[in-house]
Amino acid sequence: DSGVTQTPKHLITATGQRVTLRCSPRSGDLSVYWYQQSLDQGLQFLIQYYNGEERAKGNILERFSAQQFPDLHSELNLSSLELGDSALYFCASSVTPRGGHETQYFGPGTRLLVL
Amino acid sequence: TQLLEQSPQFLSIQEGENLTVYCNSSSVFSSLQWYRQEPGEGPVLLVTVVTGGEVKKLKRLTFQFGDARKDSSLHITAAQPGDTGLYLCAANTGNQFYFGTGTSLTVIP
Repeated sequence: DSGVTQTPKHLITATGQRVTLRCSPRSGDLSVYWYQQSLDQGLQFLIQYYNGEERAKGNILERFSAQQFPDLHSELNLSSLELGDSALYFCASSVTPRGGHETQYFGPGTRLLVL
Repeated sequence: TQLLEQSPQFLSIQEGENLTVYCNSSSVFSSLQWYRQEPGEGPVLLVTVVTGGEVKKLKRLTFQFGDARKDSSLHITAAQPGDTGLYLCAANTGNQFYFGTGTSLTVIP
């Protein structure tokens, strides 16, 4: 158990719909990353938040958005869903120990199926 | 074009055999990480290598960072069925983590 929780574990929805994925980081971790993993694209970085502020953006579509709340949990919103959005979505929180390197801890993921 | 290319993409071996997987790039990194991901779960960090030429061992797993810090290898000695999983390398470019294409390893009992 990494200490990172994600809900829901599975999500089935239809094209055109909107869904919200939730992530709670490990206690004390300020940084949250979102990733999308599909068979053909591998693990792709979407976006990073640090202490409530957006820090870095990756291959995130305009139909997708995210935010990090004051209690540090984060939500990833996916709208106007397409079949190709079906994938595993992972959240990771990270810590950088003094003098060390950033380490990410991944949640169990949300499996999204768009029909 | 992927920043990190891993090979082989798939590997199926018998229990007890040795294997090596590779992670290559044309870019130089300050550090590189290896993760293992089991079906239905998120990746789990195995090791971080930092110095060019560095070798780190984790039980039967040996990780090496290339001298030029552009590539890395993971060698598994006497593979066990519990080693089955997706092995991913990752590099932190300063503002995000890039993950490799992955090597899916199956160890047959």
